[in-house]
Amino acid sequence: ELVMTQSPATVSVSPGETVTLSCRASHSVSNDLAWYRHKPGQAPRLLIFGASTRATGIADRFSGSGSGTEFTLTISSLQSEDFAVYYCQQYNNWPGTFGRGTKVEVK
Amino acid sequence: QVQLVQSGAELKKPGASVKISCQASGLTFINNYIHWLRQAPGQGPEWVATIKLNGGTTTYSEKFQNRVTVTTGTSTDTIYMELTRLRSDDTAIFYCARDLGERAPGAYDFWGQGTQITVSS
Repeated sequence: ELVMTQSPATVSVSPGETVTLSCRASHSVSNDLAWYRHKPGQAPRLLIFGASTRATGIADRFSGSGSGTEFTLTISSLQSEDFAVYYCQQYNNWPGTFGRGTKVEVK
Repeated sequence: QVQLVQSGAELKKPGASVKISCQASGLTFINNYIHWLRQAPGQGPEWVATIKLNGGTTTYSEKFQNRVTVTTGTSTDTIYMELTRLRSDDTAIFYCARDLGERAPGAYDFWGQGTQITVSS
């Protein structure tokens, strides 16, 4: 099974700041990588697919980069709704697999 | 706008079965794939099963094989997942989610709000 590893597990950030989250795949997934934001009790929301393509309606303060095994998600000008858990998911190998998430909390 | 609305939380005893639902609206293309995923506490989501709405073809994770069945209602706007022989480690939140399709097959663009299944004696 293709394993996705996210780091850090938790990061503390102040509103308005920028944060960068990392995701590593145990094998190359090309650019078949998605990022999701998840707030407790709500539906997860797709942010990025294809490693760097923003999903419909996603603000340009979210940017994704990387290919192969190393990926990053950068969120600039953090807003209140951005304090949540972020998951990366590879969909290059069926079935897609997720990391364990990075929690972005208020500093 | 696509919306997926799931049924409410369930409390079941070990060995019992549970059937939860996912009501879809706003699906404009019949060639939609709906997936079910399980998220245990402290873990990322894990794929459980997939149904193709046009034709009803299903695919199941080997991990849940023979315990899970996914079906649709008569109008295909409601998707059901039944899980049998429940165990305590089935305690999790189950999500339905739509496949993004051609642009990124296997990624999920719309999700339900989740259904908590708790298995406890």
